[in-house]
Amino acid sequence: GQNIDQPTEMTATEGAIVQINCTYQTSGFNGLFWYQQHAGEAPTFLSYNVLDGLEEKGRFSSFLSRSKGYSYLLLKELQMKDSASYLCAVNPRGGGGNKLTFGTGTQLKVEL
Amino acid sequence: SQTIHQWPATLVQPVGSPLSLECTVEGTSNPNLYWYRQAAGRGLQLLFYSVGIGQISSEVPQNLSASRPQDRQFILSSKKLLLSDSGFYLCAWTITVGSPLHFGNGTRLTVT
Repeated sequence: GQNIDQPTEMTATEGAIVQINCTYQTSGFNGLFWYQQHAGEAPTFLSYNVLDGLEEKGRFSSFLSRSKGYSYLLLKELQMKDSASYLCAVNPRGGGGNKLTFGTGTQLKVEL
Repeated sequence: SQTIHQWPATLVQPVGSPLSLECTVEGTSNPNLYWYRQAAGRGLQLLFYSVGIGQISSEVPQNLSASRPQDRQFILSSKKLLLSDSGFYLCAWTITVGSPLHFGNGTRLTVT
């Protein structure tokens, strides 16, 4: 089966850096995705890691350690608009299709 | 560029009534298509996915069904809605394993 854990809530200050962690246990692994979801809206794709290491995309970076079943999303220079839920999703190998298993999300609140 | 259309945006239906949600993708051929549901305060749950016309895989037992009558059309249906069917329904597409899912804007369904 699949199990993905991430903190339920986090609070950070505008301009600061925040790290959102995700641990996973899956039957096979074919990549890890991070999505951003604002309240009442659909998730939007942020980043993808399939190999160990850090992927950087502007203010957002994502890290993966396959041996530890661990990833984090790093948000720099936080802005108020970054207040949203951040979803970690794993693509388990096999079974056909590209069926992502999602964590329940981390609700990030950015304060002044 | 590829776009995904999902409708309606919101829907209020009585218990026992039928349901039909439609999703279409433009700008790509032979996409993998998915229906996810997000209940209040919970993660995204994969309901159905399809790798081609007429090919539907169900992930969880329920009173919902899906059909793919055309390459870029995916329909979610129910003959009789239950209260527990309330939620945020999201259609998504992708092309290959490892590429991100792209979501439609979602349908918020309230069963009363």
